[in-house]
This record gives sequence, C-alpha cells and structure tokens, in this order.
Amino acid sequence: KNQVEQSPQSLIILEGKNCTLQCNYTVSPFSNLRWYKQDTGRGPVSLTIMTFSENTKSNGRYTATLDADTKQSSLHITASQLSDSASYICVVTNNNAGNMLTFGGGTRLMVKP
Amino acid sequence: KAGVTQTPRYLIKTRGQQVTLSCSPISGHRSVSWYQQTPGQGLQFLFEYFSETQRNKGNFPGRFSGRQFSNSRSEMNVSTLELGDSALYLCASSSQGAPATEAFFGQGTRLTVV
Repeated sequence: KNQVEQSPQSLIILEGKNCTLQCNYTVSPFSNLRWYKQDTGRGPVSLTIMTFSENTKSNGRYTATLDADTKQSSLHITASQLSDSASYICVVTNNNAGNMLTFGGGTRLMVKP
Repeated sequence: KAGVTQTPRYLIKTRGQQVTLSCSPISGHRSVSWYQQTPGQGLQFLFEYFSETQRNKGNFPGRFSGRQFSNSRSEMNVSTLELGDSALYLCASSSQGAPATEAFFGQGTRLTVV
C-alpha cells in the first residue's frame, strides 16, 4: 500500500531557530517527492520537488533532502520566521498513477516570538 | 498568469442535498485533480481528469463524481450529502501528462453540511 508518514505531527519552535521535518514513504514506483506549505484554510503551495536522482534542493530558507534508497526525505527550515507557521505536507507521486498524489499527514509548525 | 480558481469559496448545504464545485485550472493545463481535506483524514485523492477523461479515481463512494470540459475546467459533484462530507475540497492543475513535475492548488472550497 502506498503510504507517506511524517514526523513530528506538530512542532513549536522559537523565532530564529532551525528545525527539520521528516517524511518516510512506501510509494512505488517512485516518481517524485514534493514538500508543500499550507496555511490554515488555504491551498497548499509548493516549496520543493525532487526526482529520484536528486539528493537535495533548496528554496530560500527551505532545504529538502531525499534518500531514495531508504525512502526518506527531510525538510530543513533555517532561521525560522513567524510566517513559517503552517502545515508542511510531504507528497509523493507514483510513477504509474497519473497525477494521483499520496499525501503525508503533515507537520503543523508553530513559530513563536 | 492567473492561478487555479475554485468557486465558490464557501458553501453551506443540508444533509441529503447535492452540491457542485467548480475548478478553473491554469491556462494551458490539461490535468485537474480533486482532493478532500478533513482534520481527521488529511488530504485524500478523489479523482483526476485529463483531456476530458477520468484518468484516476480514489476510494470514494459513487456519490462523488466529476467531469471536465473541453476548456479543461472541471466540476465536482457530491450527491446525497452527509455530515461527513464537510471538508475543504481542493483542486490542482498540472500542465502535462503523467506524472507531472508540478501541481498547483487552488484555494479550495470549504463545504459545510448541516
């Protein structure tokens, strides 16, 4: 069964600190892995997308890593800001399933001043 | 370039009624996917349309249906609404065949069933 598991479920950090979110998946055959940021009540916005051959990708203060062998990914946020408070969702695409996305449950991040 | 537009943004319906939600993808995008998001289940795939054909379907009852028009706009219909259908419904558009390298989400339609 295609699954995406994220940890932790929620996280509280102080403004300016770094944090790392984890994602493990069992989706096969793997096509790509994406990290999305979703503010409450709004649609997800793409942060990074990585294919099988990519190990790391950055988007400003966001850096995603991918280990296709262990089927793990992480999203590292540097120098957090209050606006980083949101849910971060790991999404994996199955190579045989069109554009059907498999979503993780998300990590709810709260950045406090 | 305009983003993905979903209408309406908010909707309140009564149990047993039916509802139609609309999604206009980014110009030139031919793939539209629909997702249901609830606090308990997270984001779940409903179905995907590509060039007016349903290409994939998730594990939802037949009360959930959709269609895509020649201009790539898509509608989703839910009949005989149940309280558990209350959710944020999101659509995403992609530019090409599968699997696409990117999916752009709309802001969603918040459906409340009372």
